[in-house]
Amino acid sequence: DTGVTQSPTHLIKTRGQQVTLRCSPISGHKSVSWYQQVLGQGPQFIFQYYEKEERGRGNFPDRFSARQFPNYSSELNVNALLLGDSALYLCASSLDLRTVNEQFFGPGTRLTVL
Amino acid sequence: EDKVVQSPLSLVVHEGDTVTLNCSYEVTNFRSLLWYKQEKKAPTFLFMLTSSGIEKKSGRLSSILDKKELFSILNITATQTGDSAVYLCAAPRRGNQFYFGTGTSLTVIP
Repeated sequence: DTGVTQSPTHLIKTRGQQVTLRCSPISGHKSVSWYQQVLGQGPQFIFQYYEKEERGRGNFPDRFSARQFPNYSSELNVNALLLGDSALYLCASSLDLRTVNEQFFGPGTRLTVL
Repeated sequence: EDKVVQSPLSLVVHEGDTVTLNCSYEVTNFRSLLWYKQEKKAPTFLFMLTSSGIEKKSGRLSSILDKKELFSILNITATQTGDSAVYLCAAPRRGNQFYFGTGTSLTVIP
């Protein structure tokens, strides 16, 4: 059984550029959440999608956007990159919005902004 | 403002030691608290606690929640080098949108 997959694993960008990160949830999972984890900190909630609709948004600027596709995979887009956007971006999938202890995390995408 | 605070931020112990990691929380409409282990990248689930005073146990790891004092502890007995990781606690705010603490970095020296 394949777990949550994310691509790419690593990414280096320069300030001002745009980036797209991808996530494929576990088969059958309809909810995808995105988290940003800056070095030395815990993950911070960015977005949650369920059945292709945004169901939650954390305290992040409008430069961050996301979407979920009919196959429940998801993309996170970040525009006008800043140095402070350098972080590990984690995707988590779950069956629905209620299964708290069955939310599974992917390996993350390490984004470095120079 | 909701917050989850973990202590200590980091810990270095020798194999065989017992460690206690702390997590205090102030979360609106609190329902549960979860512990995760993060070794390289993906946090992996350890425990979910919803009821006060009931210990959850898995091998050498155990955890308990105190809803009156708003904290949880994670105990690891007879530590091994494989226990070296960052331990995160999290409280769901809405549905399963998690609010995480900063984590405790545990290093176990042989």
